[in-house]
Amino acid sequence: AQSVTQLDSQVPVFEEAPVELRCNYSSSVSVYLFWYVQYPNQGLQLLLKYLSGSTLVKGINGFEAEFNKSQTSFHLRKPSVHISDTAEYFCALRGSGNTGKLIFGQGTTLQVKP
Amino acid sequence: EAEVAQSPRYKITEKSQAVAFWCDPISGHATLYWYRQILGQGPELLVQFQDESVVDDSQLPKDRFSAERLKGVDSTLKIQPAELGDSAMYLCASSFQTGYEQFFGPGTRLTVL
Repeated sequence: AQSVTQLDSQVPVFEEAPVELRCNYSSSVSVYLFWYVQYPNQGLQLLLKYLSGSTLVKGINGFEAEFNKSQTSFHLRKPSVHISDTAEYFCALRGSGNTGKLIFGQGTTLQVKP
Repeated sequence: EAEVAQSPRYKITEKSQAVAFWCDPISGHATLYWYRQILGQGPELLVQFQDESVVDDSQLPKDRFSAERLKGVDSTLKIQPAELGDSAMYLCASSFQTGYEQFFGPGTRLTVL
């Protein structure tokens, strides 16, 4: 079975500080990994994705993530956050087979304080 | 910019009533997904369509939920009868084909009283 665990339910941080949102996954097959952001009462927006190649992937809004196969992790980072980054963040995986199903973690609420 | 459309955005209903949600995917997208997101949790796939065919409905509670995509374009998700535990956000997503990036709609927030 495949699963995603987001290690922090809430992450409070001050504006302009760096942040890391942690994500671990479990899968017996190769996976593709994603980070999505969700603002209140809105759908999900893709931040970045790892499909293959370089383990450091860059996304929109200054976010980046590093795929670590040995530690089965895909942590999201941003060197300096803004108030507007306050949102819910979801890590997700998709099996490399012929399936579109995304399996999501429980979400991490990023609270950026002035 | 093309977007996934969903309606209604909000729905309040009483237990045992029937409800229906509508989704219009991005034009040309063959794959359509319905996810359910319970408050405080990540989305969970309910059903996946490839054109008009269901390819995965393993997590769909078939005793009360039904989904259709008759012409392979827009889709309807129905719940009959609604139960208190069905209160959630229902998200629709579409992709060009299976395995391509999924684009999400704004969701329908259902409250069952």
